[in-house]
Amino acid sequence: NAGVTQTPKFQVLKTGQSMTLQCAQDMNHEYMSWYRQDPGMGLRLIHYSVGAGITDQGEVPNGYNVSRSTTEDFPLRLLSAAPSQTSVYFCASSGDSPYEQYFGPGTRLTVT
Amino acid sequence: AQTVTQSQPEMSVQEAETVTLSCTYDTSENNYYLFWYKQPPSRQMILVIRQEAYKQQNATENRFSVNFQKAAKSFSLKISDSQLGDTAMYFCAFMKRVDDKIIFGKGTRLHILP
Repeated sequence: NAGVTQTPKFQVLKTGQSMTLQCAQDMNHEYMSWYRQDPGMGLRLIHYSVGAGITDQGEVPNGYNVSRSTTEDFPLRLLSAAPSQTSVYFCASSGDSPYEQYFGPGTRLTVT
Repeated sequence: AQTVTQSQPEMSVQEAETVTLSCTYDTSENNYYLFWYKQPPSRQMILVIRQEAYKQQNATENRFSVNFQKAAKSFSLKISDSQLGDTAMYFCAFMKRVDDKIIFGKGTRLHILP
C-alpha cells in the first residue's frame, strides 16, 4: 500500500494562476480531508468528504474547490491563487470518520 | 465553537527525562475525541495517541500517556524516557463525536537535547 500520496511536493504559482493539488489513497477509505498549515496556526480544515460524491466545507474553505468522483481521489483546486494561499497543504484519509487519520507528505505551495 | 489551546509554544528537555505538554479545550459537547499528533522535521503527521471522552481511563501508548481531566477540559501528553527521535512539533486536536471535523491547536515545538 502506498497510503496517502500527494502531488506535487512543491509548487510556485503567480497570483491569479490556477492549479490542482492531487491526493490519492489506496486504503479504500471513505473519509478524506484537506488541511492547510501555516506557521503558528496549526492545521486548519479546508474541505472534507465522507464518501464519493459528498463534500463539505471546513474551517477555511474560501478560495478552494473540491470534488470527489471516486473513493480514491480527492483533488483540491485553487481557481485564482492569492499570496494568502501560500502554505503547506496536507491531505488525509480514514475509514469512516477522522478517528484515525493517515496523512500524506504535504505540498508546499508558494504564491508570488 | 470549539477551541484548542496549547500554551507552550516551545520546550526543551534532556534525553531520558520526562516531559509534559499541555492542552486545554473549550466545548459544550459531552461526546468527543481528543488526539495528540506528532510532526517531526520530515513534516509527516503521525497520530500519537487518542482519548474518547466517555472513557475515564487515561490512554497510554508505550512511553506516551495522557492525563485527561474532563471537568477541567484538560488533555496533557506525558512522554517518559524521552528520546532524540521525539523531537517534533506536537499538536493537540479535538473532534465532536457527531461531527467529521478536527480542530487542531497551534502546536508545541519539543526539542530533546542529547
